[in-house]
Amino acid sequence: AQKITQTQPGMFVQEKEAVTLDCTYDTSDQSYGLFWYKQPSSGEMIFLIYQGSYDEQNATEGRYSLNFQKARKSANLVISASQLGDSAMYFCAMREALDKLIFGTGTRLQVFP
Amino acid sequence: DVKVTQSSRYLVKRTGEKVFLECVQDMDHENMFWYRQDPGLGLRLIYFSYDVKMKEKGDIPEGYSVSREKKERFSLILESASTNQTSMYLCASSLGTGETYEQYFGPGTRLTVT
Repeated sequence: AQKITQTQPGMFVQEKEAVTLDCTYDTSDQSYGLFWYKQPSSGEMIFLIYQGSYDEQNATEGRYSLNFQKARKSANLVISASQLGDSAMYFCAMREALDKLIFGTGTRLQVFP
Repeated sequence: DVKVTQSSRYLVKRTGEKVFLECVQDMDHENMFWYRQDPGLGLRLIYFSYDVKMKEKGDIPEGYSVSREKKERFSLILESASTNQTSMYLCASSLGTGETYEQYFGPGTRLTVT
């Protein structure tokens, strides 16, 4: 069965520093997609970044990059130059058939001044 | 911009009541989803729909049903609400089948069943 594991329930980072949020996945499919979402305290899920299993380059979107290591089945999110507004829950997810997503349990990131 | 709206941000219902949670998207998306979110468990899929009048069970469908009579609207129904259905409910939509189609989420409904 497909599974997403996020082993860090909480992380702290100082403003302007970089932080890595871990995500490992398990699947027997050759073709799959990996997503990261941010959930601020307001509750809405915000799409951040996507990585396809056949993409050779790591995905980047502004200050977000995805460190994709296929052999290790990991898809870590790297946030560079953290800002106070980055404080939120972060979820890693993997796409199943029919666009269904399996989510990890999330990591709560707190950015301090 | 894609907009997914949910009928209520906060809802309080009594045990045994029938509860309707409404979700509307304005971008002609094919797929729509209902999740519940609980601390420490992440998001779990309740039901999804890939076309009008079509529905598929997700991972935790027990105690829930859904309705999709129009493409833009997907309703989640709690036939007889119970306290263990107290949770945050999130609706999402996506364009269609394809690896790169992210899901767009509504703001969520925090349901309390007393």
